[in-house]
Amino acid sequence: DTEVTQTPKHLVMGMTNKKSLKCEQHMGHRAMYWYKQKAKKPPELMFVYSYEKLSINESVPSRFSPECPNSSLLNLHLHALQPEDSALYLCASSQASQTHSGNTIYFGEGSWLTVV
Amino acid sequence: GENVEQHPSTLSVQEGDSAVIKCTYSDSASNYFPWYKQELGKGPQLIIDIRSNVGEKKDQRIAVTLNKTAKHFSLHITETQPEDSAVYFCAPGGGYNKLIFGAGTRLAVHP
Repeated sequence: DTEVTQTPKHLVMGMTNKKSLKCEQHMGHRAMYWYKQKAKKPPELMFVYSYEKLSINESVPSRFSPECPNSSLLNLHLHALQPEDSALYLCASSQASQTHSGNTIYFGEGSWLTVV
Repeated sequence: GENVEQHPSTLSVQEGDSAVIKCTYSDSASNYFPWYKQELGKGPQLIIDIRSNVGEKKDQRIAVTLNKTAKHFSLHITETQPEDSAVYFCAPGGGYNKLIFGAGTRLAVHP
């Protein structure tokens, strides 16, 4: 079983709503990630946090706003989304190192988001 | 940036047969080579990985081989079982764990 927990598993929201996706891990990992996966496509990296600081933003639109309140939690705040943002949003975590290279990344089960 | 190609896109085998999936990458700086399995409705699960200083790694029915010179690595599954049916992704990575996923291979194992 994955040790990365995501809530909610399913979310339906309107284009004017504000909602949040939540992610939690208790493996002591200091790097956390958000990925987006469209149907029948591979996961695509959105954000990387290292030691609670945002280290990578893959040019994600500002309607997606990540937040890392502490080393175990990662949130993704959603506002004014479009129907094309409907996808599976995956949270992941790994050990962090100076180069962050070659550390195993563990994924959660994802949050299915539908924007109507 | 990294360009990753994964073949085949679909693979159908009979139970007990072997399956091989190949991943080709472009970034010579990549030094970490994982394979993920994703079952329907679930997140990707790491099944095996290899680092650039090793040519082959085996874990029971699963093995990964790496050819850094040719920039490709392969997943080998022997004695396939129906529960091996899933989508498999390669995701070569380098600095900052920036994994770039291949397009995926849908494996179907028929009883």
